[in-house]
Amino acid sequence: DQQVKQNSPSLSVQEGRISILNCDYTNSMFDYFLWYKKYPAEGPTFLISISSIKDKNEDGRFTVFLNKSAKHLSLHIVPSQPGDSAVYFCAASAAGGGNKLTFGTGTQLKVEL
Amino acid sequence: GAVVSQHPSRVICKSGTSVKIECRSLDFQATTMFWYRQFPKQSLMLMATSNEGSKATYEQGVEKDKFLINHASLTLSTLTVTSAHPEDSSFYICSASGGDDYGYTFGSGTRLTVV
Repeated sequence: DQQVKQNSPSLSVQEGRISILNCDYTNSMFDYFLWYKKYPAEGPTFLISISSIKDKNEDGRFTVFLNKSAKHLSLHIVPSQPGDSAVYFCAASAAGGGNKLTFGTGTQLKVEL
Repeated sequence: GAVVSQHPSRVICKSGTSVKIECRSLDFQATTMFWYRQFPKQSLMLMATSNEGSKATYEQGVEKDKFLINHASLTLSTLTVTSAHPEDSSFYICSASGGDDYGYTFGSGTRLTVV
């Protein structure tokens, strides 16, 4: 049972444009969400997170939006840069730090020149 | 920022032997450490959660006698793959949490190949 889903396995965007990565979840107990960036043969790198009490969190070029009623979150990257090309995972937790994360299947983002 | 060191980054071992992977939190005390496994082009699957000084909690379907986890101190957790077989070949990643203020920090992963 995949509780966190990223339905787009890949996304291709031109440099300078906006990248929008989507994530859906089914477990209503999730209250903390995170986005990670991962290169091959490396561990995930934390990008940005959001608590369920918020609907938006922004950090530089990265913004995460949370729609609790739809159980949907998205990561916006603007402007996209070639160095953003990587696999992006969304993850969810039921009780914040210290509790296990459930990961989505990942979206391969390719930012083209 | 929080740093987690995972060692080795890559290991090749013969079928039937055991391999130990270390995960260290370098600049914070990790009350909880997590071990994940990732198959090619798939998600990170949580294998087990370990808290310092207590037995690890394994996810359903993960053999605890095969994947031995030790979390003897607040800065070190180890995963030992015992009697490794080719199907154990995978990318193993640890992460550490120091509590609500620290979030989760991942190690750089270990590529295990069993031949």
